[in-house]
Amino acid sequence: AQKITQTQPGMFVQEKEAVTLDCTYDTSDPSYGLFWYKQPSSGEMIFLIYQGSYDQQNATEGRYSLNFQKARKSANLVISASQLGDSAMYFCAMRGVNQAGTALIFGKGTTLSVSS
Amino acid sequence: NAGVTQTPKFQVLKTGQSMTLQCAQDMNHEYMSWYRQDPGMGLRLIHYSVGAGITDQGEVPNGYNVSRSTTEDFPLRLLSAAPSQTSVYFCASSKDWVLRGANVLTFGAGSRLTVL
Repeated sequence: AQKITQTQPGMFVQEKEAVTLDCTYDTSDPSYGLFWYKQPSSGEMIFLIYQGSYDQQNATEGRYSLNFQKARKSANLVISASQLGDSAMYFCAMRGVNQAGTALIFGKGTTLSVSS
Repeated sequence: NAGVTQTPKFQVLKTGQSMTLQCAQDMNHEYMSWYRQDPGMGLRLIHYSVGAGITDQGEVPNGYNVSRSTTEDFPLRLLSAAPSQTSVYFCASSKDWVLRGANVLTFGAGSRLTVL
């Protein structure tokens, strides 16, 4: 069965600092995709970054990068130069094999708080 | 484009009442899904659809029905509401088939349901 584990319920960081949000996954499928979503206090789900299992390089999107360590089955999100607007819940997710790839399996999330 | 539209945004029900959460997308996406979000649980898949006329169960389908008569609409029905169904519900849609690349889910704004 597929599983996403986020072990940090909450993280605290100061503005302009970098922060790493941890995510480990479990799957027996050799082809998989990993996602990070942001959920601010307003509630919407915002896609941040994607990493495919066969991608040779770690994904980057602006201040977001994904530290993909396949052997360790980890896909940590790195946010460089944190901003107050980064305060939100962050979810790691994996494409669901049993759902014909139409849906995602989510972790429980990490709440990030950025202070000035 | 409106994206994924969910209605209503808020609803209070009494135990035993029935209701339908509406979801519509105007992006011609084939794949649609429903999730519920509970504190400390992340998002869990309720039902999903790979196209008009085709639906299937996710992780937590009990107490919910869905149908997909058109590509655009994917309503979620609560047949007899229970307090355990108090949650925030998200509808999502996607365009790409998982094996062809990033299956980026686009989410609706969410519907907050309280069952008394």
